[in-house]
Amino acid sequence: DAMVIQNPRYQVTQFGKPVTLSCSQTLNHNVMYWYQQKSSQAPKLLFHYYDKDFNNEADTPDNFQSRRPNTSFCFLDIRSPGLGDAAMYLCATSSGLASNEQYFGPGTRLTVT
Amino acid sequence: ILNVEQSPQSLHVQEGDSTNFTCSFPSSNFYALHWYRWETAKSPEALFVMTLNGDEKKKGRISATLNTKEGYSYLYIKGSQPEDSATYLCASSSGTYKYIFGTGTRLKVLA
Repeated sequence: DAMVIQNPRYQVTQFGKPVTLSCSQTLNHNVMYWYQQKSSQAPKLLFHYYDKDFNNEADTPDNFQSRRPNTSFCFLDIRSPGLGDAAMYLCATSSGLASNEQYFGPGTRLTVT
Repeated sequence: ILNVEQSPQSLHVQEGDSTNFTCSFPSSNFYALHWYRWETAKSPEALFVMTLNGDEKKKGRISATLNTKEGYSYLYIKGSQPEDSATYLCASSSGTYKYIFGTGTRLKVLA
């Protein structure tokens, strides 16, 4: 029944070692989002795809990249993780209408050592 | 208000108590207001989407109201139960498919 799946749920990486987080959806939604949430803060949008169109937020560091090879999958690549990148990373999807809710995955908790 | 703000940041209530919390959002260029419930180790789950001033939505013991002119929404929980313990997030949209989230209200219901 899971509609938005994130793997892994917990990821530990070393300072500077590239890491990839994955997200898949069974909803066939046009839009896929990546959010970063640090403790006690609001989820912060990093970027989103509308179909194949990539939209980067102005304040998203260059260290963060994303790929969407097809409708179902989206990846978040962190090229050189720093200690400040430790956070919960949430993937979400929506049909593209602002009045429709987003569907979230359970998140990946990233630890940087 | 430029950001989405939620209050209180956290609260503890006794089982059976009713409670409410607030989401404040920019009233200019408003299109939709979303409420989500996020239980520990689970995915955030949509509760309500509201678009019209004066909207009221209800799901079981949980209800929400919307005032777009002054830029706030209230979430009410009647007769809180331990299973209501979660973080409640609100998010505002200005008409695009992008959302600005608040920091959430962490609710703990004590048995």
